[in-house]
Amino acid sequence: AQKVTQAQTEISVVEKEDVTLDCVYETRDTTYYLFWYKQPPSGELVFLIRRNSFDEQNEISGRYSWNFQKSTSSFNFTITASQVVDSAVYFCALRRDSGAGSYQLTFGKGTKLSVIP
Amino acid sequence: SQTIHQWPATLVQPVGSPLSLECTVEGTSNPNLYWYRQAAGRGLQLLFYSVGIGQISSEVPQNLSASRPQDRQFILSSKKLLLSDSGFYLCAWSVVREAEAFFGQGTRLTVV
Repeated sequence: AQKVTQAQTEISVVEKEDVTLDCVYETRDTTYYLFWYKQPPSGELVFLIRRNSFDEQNEISGRYSWNFQKSTSSFNFTITASQVVDSAVYFCALRRDSGAGSYQLTFGKGTKLSVIP
Repeated sequence: SQTIHQWPATLVQPVGSPLSLECTVEGTSNPNLYWYRQAAGRGLQLLFYSVGIGQISSEVPQNLSASRPQDRQFILSSKKLLLSDSGFYLCAWSVVREAEAFFGQGTRLTVV
């Protein structure tokens, strides 16, 4: 069975602070995909990144960076110099590469980030 | 570029009434289409997905059904709504199964 755990339900930071959102996943598959989505107050989910299980290279995109570690089954997301516009709920998700349920994104319950000006 | 449209944005319906939520995608052909539901304070759950016209797969048994009458149109329906059907419904599409899914703006359904 697939499972994604985002242990941090809510986080508050002051603007310009760095913040890391944790994501731990469980899967028996050797090939899978990991995702991060942002859900602003408007409700739609905004795709941020996809990572394939065979690619452990970390990625940086502007103020965003992702740390993928298969050894600890983690895919953490760091926002550097946070801004008020970063306030949202962030979801980590997992998808199987094949087999039953491979069309489904398994989501964590999300972390609500509040950036205080 | 590809866009996804979902409507209505909000809906209040009485128990026992029918439901029809519509989703259309533009700028791509033969997408995989999905309906997810997000209950308050919880993550998202896949309800239905479709890999082609008329092809619908259900992930969980429920009071809802889905249809895909055209390549880029996905409809979520119910004949009789239950209170437990309240939630935030999101339509999504992807190019292929393993790729990222792109979501619509969602419909907030309240059954009263």
